Formats: sequence, C-alpha cells, structure tokens
Amino acid sequence: DAKTTQPPSMDCAEGRAANLPCNHSTISGNEYVYWYRQIHSQGPQYIIHGLKNNETNEMASLIITEDRKSSTLILPHATLRDTAVYYCIVRGPPHGNEKLTFGTGTRLTIIP
Amino acid sequence: GAVVSQHPSWVICKSGTSVKIECRSLDFQATTMFWYRQFPKQSLMLMATSNEGSKATYEQGVEKDKFLINHASLTLSTLTVTSAHPEDSSFYICSARRAGGNYGYTFGSGTRLTVV
Repeated sequence: DAKTTQPPSMDCAEGRAANLPCNHSTISGNEYVYWYRQIHSQGPQYIIHGLKNNETNEMASLIITEDRKSSTLILPHATLRDTAVYYCIVRGPPHGNEKLTFGTGTRLTIIP
Repeated sequence: GAVVSQHPSWVICKSGTSVKIECRSLDFQATTMFWYRQFPKQSLMLMATSNEGSKATYEQGVEKDKFLINHASLTLSTLTVTSAHPEDSSFYICSARRAGGNYGYTFGSGTRLTVV
C-alpha cells in the first residue's frame, strides 16, 4: 500500500523552480522521505532523502514540514532534462535493507 | 561510485524460451539486490528481494518457479524468466544497496524484454 500521495502530473517552465509536493500523513518516527526520478526508459535515479530537517544537494532541495506529514522537492532551475516521473517514497533508515515501494509518482514536464 | 550495470539492455525472445538478465554492482559489494518489473505507463512493481548466498524472497503473486533469481556473489544477481510468454514482456529493473553505511539504492538501466 502506498504511503505517499502525489499529484499525477505537473508542468513547469524551463528555468523556473519546480516544486513537487508529497503527502505522507502516516509517516512514522523512524521513517525517512526519499525522492527518486525516472527518465523515460531508464532506471530510477536517486535525488535526495531526509528525516526531518530540510536537505539540499547539487540536484535539489527537500523541504519537510514540521509535523513531517508532507514535503516538497524543489528543483531550483528546471531544465528540459528534468522532465521525468518523480517518486516520493517513505521507508526506514538508509542503512537498512528495507525495500523501496514505488507509488504512481508525479510526471513533471518542463516546458521550453 | 555506486554503479549498477544491467545486461542486456533489451532482448527479444520467442515464446517458450528462457531469458537471463544480469545485474552487477561495479564498484561496491551488494548483499541485497531487488528486482522490479514495470509495464508501460505504470509504476515499478517489486518482484523479489535477492540476498547473497540465500534464497530470494518473492512478493505476493510472483511465481518463483517462473522468475528464477540467483545471487551467488556480492556483485552479481541474475533473473531468469523461464518459459517466457508475451505477457512477460516488460521493463525489468534491478537495484542494489552498498553493504554497510548510510547509502541509498542504485538502480540499473533496465532491460526491455519482448516475447514474440
């Protein structure tokens, strides 16, 4: 059963920030929020993960609400190559062997 | 680092034959690998969890005798689709996690299987 809810699709203009929301109202205390993306006909690519603090890396920023029931993935300057399906996944700590369960994700289209 | 190589990237086979897909972790050891299947316009569905040196754990509804998984070393897991039928045509993807530490999962590039 999916633990997350995402909008099925979004559009974003090239060069603008893409903000992808995710609801995970049933997240438990030791569960992390992970984001992956899948470009057409490729394997998923890891983007970022976090527990409760906001995180930033070279690809994106992750903003997690204080109650941890939702989060937003931010691609600061979207390019055409960011067109992909983005998956928000909730699971245990990174060092565990817990499986990743994919929901339906958000299909992000970057418009020139 | 953390590269997973999947081979072949695509394969066409005749109905009734078997196809083997390889998943290799190139620069790390992977005690656990996962196999997914993805049909067109659908999300990834986990098929099984492959543990080095032991039997794979299959998800509900996945036939273990049809989808044979072998994880004989820390860098290689194979998925064999036996007696393939057209309905087995799909995109098969493996993923692996580096043993130890707070590492995420790395995915292979996938194998497009077409059974004719």
